Amino acid sequence: GAVVSQHPSWVICKSGTSVKIECRSLDFQATTMFWYRQFPKQSLMLMATSNEGSKATYEQGVEKDKFLINHASLTLSTLTVTSAHPEDSSFYICSARAAANYGYTFGSGTRLTVV
Amino acid sequence: AQTVTQSQPEMSVQEAETVTLSCTYDTSESDYYLFWYKQPPSRQMILVIRQEAYKQQNATENRFSVNFQKAAKSFSLKISDSQLGDAAMYFCAPGRIGNEKLTFGTGTRLTIIP
Repeated sequence: GAVVSQHPSWVICKSGTSVKIECRSLDFQATTMFWYRQFPKQSLMLMATSNEGSKATYEQGVEKDKFLINHASLTLSTLTVTSAHPEDSSFYICSARAAANYGYTFGSGTRLTVV
Repeated sequence: AQTVTQSQPEMSVQEAETVTLSCTYDTSESDYYLFWYKQPPSRQMILVIRQEAYKQQNATENRFSVNFQKAAKSFSLKISDSQLGDAAMYFCAPGRIGNEKLTFGTGTRLTIIP
């Protein structure tokens, strides 16, 4: 079945630094990828939708200059948290979809802690 | 915009028994999918079952089945013969065909009692 690999699984960084999270579709081409944020004991909140080769579409309230998303190929999307602050600490999950009418496959998530 | 309500923050069921998790949603779309995902302690999101809104027949996947009431905008999940491995957070999520975005409910934490 479809597999999405997300790395790193956890990362600790200092305030003010940037962190990059990778999401790869291993056995299919992902025309669309999604980035979610999940706070403890809460639901998944969609941050942005990225389509290969075009700019990401951000949800209302998500700072596009802070959360940089790149989807340069059909198998790789990256989320860069720039100038990270402690309030950016959260669990980030990516999801990929091959094409219309296909299911959504999720990565295993990245736990980001900013100290 | 779609809204999703899961009115049961927590549920518990005895092992081997049956439990039903509720989900209601609000959408103006006519063509959409409905999904149930589970998130165990590993936090990996796992697809449980999917329903196309245009299909009248309720979806079934082994011990998992749904009761889809389109007019009432209700999409409940029934788990039969509950197993310890079913313990997880369960999220209901509708998604508009063509739009691709999923809107997740607040989740129901299911505990299985041995």
